[in-house]
Amino acid sequence: GAVVSQHPSWVICKSGTSVKIECRSLDFQATTMFWYRQFPKQSLMLMATSNEGSKATYEQGVEKDKFLINHASLTLSTLTVTSAHPEDSSFYICSAGPGEPNIQYFGAGTRLSVL
Amino acid sequence: GQNIDQPTEMTATEGAIVQINCTYQTSGFNGLFWYQQHAGEAPTFLSYNVLDGLEEKGRFSSFLSRSKGYSYLLLKELQMKDSASYLCAASDSNYQLIWGAGTKLIIKP
Repeated sequence: GAVVSQHPSWVICKSGTSVKIECRSLDFQATTMFWYRQFPKQSLMLMATSNEGSKATYEQGVEKDKFLINHASLTLSTLTVTSAHPEDSSFYICSAGPGEPNIQYFGAGTRLSVL
Repeated sequence: GQNIDQPTEMTATEGAIVQINCTYQTSGFNGLFWYQQHAGEAPTFLSYNVLDGLEEKGRFSSFLSRSKGYSYLLLKELQMKDSASYLCAASDSNYQLIWGAGTKLIIKP
């Protein structure tokens, strides 16, 4: 299967700081990548669809100015959590696929803890 | 609206067989996916069905009935390492994945 790399795997930061998470497709090009958030013992929640060369599409209820997404190349999307607060502490996961049939491969996830 | 239903939790015995069901309602349909997610880890892809019938892959099989909006994941010869959540997802007409809440599978010795 295709390989998606996500970095960092774990980050602890102080309240008010910004955190950048990278998602890379290693062996394929991805015009679209997806960002999810998952709270403990809850299901995956799609935050936004990242589109190469254009603006991301955010799901209802997700603050665009807080969760900045940049998809500047066909192999890299970044999610920046701006002015992070303790309630932003969660497991953030990206996914991408090499095309039809649209099988999504996930990065290993980033566990964010905001103190 | 679009919806995926699957049981919240199931329990099975090591060495046995378990079937996890999933029903879906989507605007258009472009395939049904199953993923496995161990606690604290990201999901990993298990199977994809777009045509009716059974797809077998080792100890895991997945079935699809498009007319019934129904799929199941069959796990044989259960091992303790199969304890995980199993996520069902359907692809709609825009190739957007609609996710179920996941079924937590508990394997007992």
